[in-house]
Amino acid sequence: EDQVTQSPEALRLQEGESSSLNCSYTVSGLRGLFWYRQDPGKGPEFLFTLYSAGEEKEKERLKATLTKKESFLHITAPKPEDSATYLCAVRGGAQKLVFGQGTRLTINP
Amino acid sequence: NAGVTQTPKFQVLKTGQSMTLQCAQDMNHEYMSWYRQDPGMGLRLIHYSVGAGITDQGEVPNGYNVSRSTTEDFPLRLLSAAPSQTSVYFCAAGGGGGNTIYFGEGSWLTVV
Repeated sequence: EDQVTQSPEALRLQEGESSSLNCSYTVSGLRGLFWYRQDPGKGPEFLFTLYSAGEEKEKERLKATLTKKESFLHITAPKPEDSATYLCAVRGGAQKLVFGQGTRLTINP
Repeated sequence: NAGVTQTPKFQVLKTGQSMTLQCAQDMNHEYMSWYRQDPGMGLRLIHYSVGAGITDQGEVPNGYNVSRSTTEDFPLRLLSAAPSQTSVYFCAAGGGGGNTIYFGEGSWLTVV
């Protein structure tokens, strides 16, 4: 059974204070590990897909990394507009996309 | 949302009523799926489809039916609504394998 666990559940940072979100996973036949951002009252917005261990991707202040057991979303010098819930999901051989619980990130000015 | 359209956006139902949440996509994606999102529970998979005529159950399928007669549409049917089905429902669509999966804007359902 594909499973995803995200930590922490919630994280409060000061503007400019860098940190990382964790996503631990088990999956049969990884097709991709996905990161999404979700704002209140909106659908999830795609950020990154990682395909194999050692891969890294960056977008503005966000950088995602992947190992065989977990992925990290690093946030460098965050701004208040980075406040959102960040969702991690895996897709395996069965093709279905399975999500973790999410990390609710708050950046205080 | 890359061409994933959900209707209605808001709906109030009485216990025992039936209804259909509509999902349409205009990108010819193979994969479509339905999730529900409840506070503290994340996104839970209800049903998914990897192509027209093919559907499969996700984590929480009870009380919901789906069909995929065309590539474009993937309706979710509630046959006899229960208060436990009060939730926000998201439809998603995308390619197979590691291709990006896009989400609709959500449908807010309240069952009283």
